[in-house]
Amino acid sequence: SQTIHQWPATLVQPVGSPLSLECTVEGTSNPNLYWYRQAAGRGLQLLFYSIGIDQISSEVPQNLSASRPQDRQFILSSKKLLLSDSGFYLCATEQDNEKLFFGSGTQLSVL
Amino acid sequence: DQQVKQNSPSLSVQEGRISILNCDYTNSMFDYFLWYKKYPAEGPTFLISISSIKDKNEDGRFTVFLNKSAKHLSLHIVPSQPGDSAVYFCAASPNNAGNMLTFGGGTRLMVKP
Repeated sequence: SQTIHQWPATLVQPVGSPLSLECTVEGTSNPNLYWYRQAAGRGLQLLFYSIGIDQISSEVPQNLSASRPQDRQFILSSKKLLLSDSGFYLCATEQDNEKLFFGSGTQLSVL
Repeated sequence: DQQVKQNSPSLSVQEGRISILNCDYTNSMFDYFLWYKKYPAEGPTFLISISSIKDKNEDGRFTVFLNKSAKHLSLHIVPSQPGDSAVYFCAASPNNAGNMLTFGGGTRLMVKP
């Protein structure tokens, strides 16, 4: 069965600082990977998806970037965080080609 | 432009009664719909799905109904239990698969003992 590891679980960062959130997937090979964000009081928004190493698609223009240096590793980054980057970040992969399977998420607070 | 909308941000139901959560969508290309359940500080977990070729799918206490002409789906929970208290998201996909999901804003369900 698939497992998604996301860390850290919570993060408090000052405005203007860099960001790196890591997601690793076990139990599958060549997975499609996704980064979603839930802003306070809002739904889940797709930020990036990747169908393979170094293959990243961005769904919304933003202050964030994503990279996939290895098959089962997906990284979300920012050079300078904004207040509006605060939110709950979720990594996901496909399960049985029927649904998305989510990690436990990272709560990011930018102050 | 929200393509998937959950117009009720919250719903309170008595234990043992039916919970009905609603979802509307605007994109006629959506052909696969899912419901997720989310507890605080956790990732969403898959609950139930329905393809556009069906109008009903049932799994235990959970039933999803799809009205394609109205572009509306609903999740029924019967009987509701306190452990069902969570935020419920509906999601839609345009490629008959559970990926590339567009999510609604969520409905917080509170089931009172």
